[in-house]
Amino acid sequence: DAKTTQPTSMDCAEGRAANLPCNHSTISGNEYVYWYRRIHSQGPQYIIHGLKNNETNEMASLIITEDRKSSTLILPHATLRDTAVYYCIVRNALIYNQGGKLIFGQGTELSVKP
Amino acid sequence: EAQVTQNPRYLITVTGKKLTVTCSQNMNHEYMSWYRQDPGLGLRQIYYSMNVEVTDKGDVPEGYKVSRKEKRNFPLILESPSPNQTSLYFCASSEKGYVYGYTFGSGTRLTVV
Repeated sequence: DAKTTQPTSMDCAEGRAANLPCNHSTISGNEYVYWYRRIHSQGPQYIIHGLKNNETNEMASLIITEDRKSSTLILPHATLRDTAVYYCIVRNALIYNQGGKLIFGQGTELSVKP
Repeated sequence: EAQVTQNPRYLITVTGKKLTVTCSQNMNHEYMSWYRQDPGLGLRQIYYSMNVEVTDKGDVPEGYKVSRKEKRNFPLILESPSPNQTSLYFCASSEKGYVYGYTFGSGTRLTVV
């Protein structure tokens, strides 16, 4: 699976959009971009995933560049409860690949401040 | 509510005393997996199961056993726990196939003394 690079930490004001970048320059054509987050004392939470097109769900938007070498997770109106570590993961979508495991890097620690 | 339930949330035990951490999901997911999280090492996969009676080793299976007799349950068994198995454990499940996200349990913090 392709390696990802994320900033170690970011701050965001409550109510503003949080834009979390991720570089994945070695991504291959059949690899998806997944985003998860881990709020303290909880298990990782799936947020969104995409292949080529931009995606939006009730939690966030995912913007993938045309060359697919980077992406941005957008939390449109961050709240204090969005304070968490956010993980960008690139992997082959087939669940049978590598035992279906997810490889979590260090992620970005997002602090939403009042 | 769709969820993965792990029990117990916290456990302190002594070396060598067999224990089981239960994991149950109510989403009819075929795929289930166990991870452990240690500082500086991220999440590492212990075992996974593609379906009932189908299990296989992940990256760090030593000292653990699993079973998948029913679709909803995937217990993690430590036959003879040791202090190096002190960790935070997560169970996860997903629908079969691909492009689906994983649902994780809230975690079990195990301390072996």
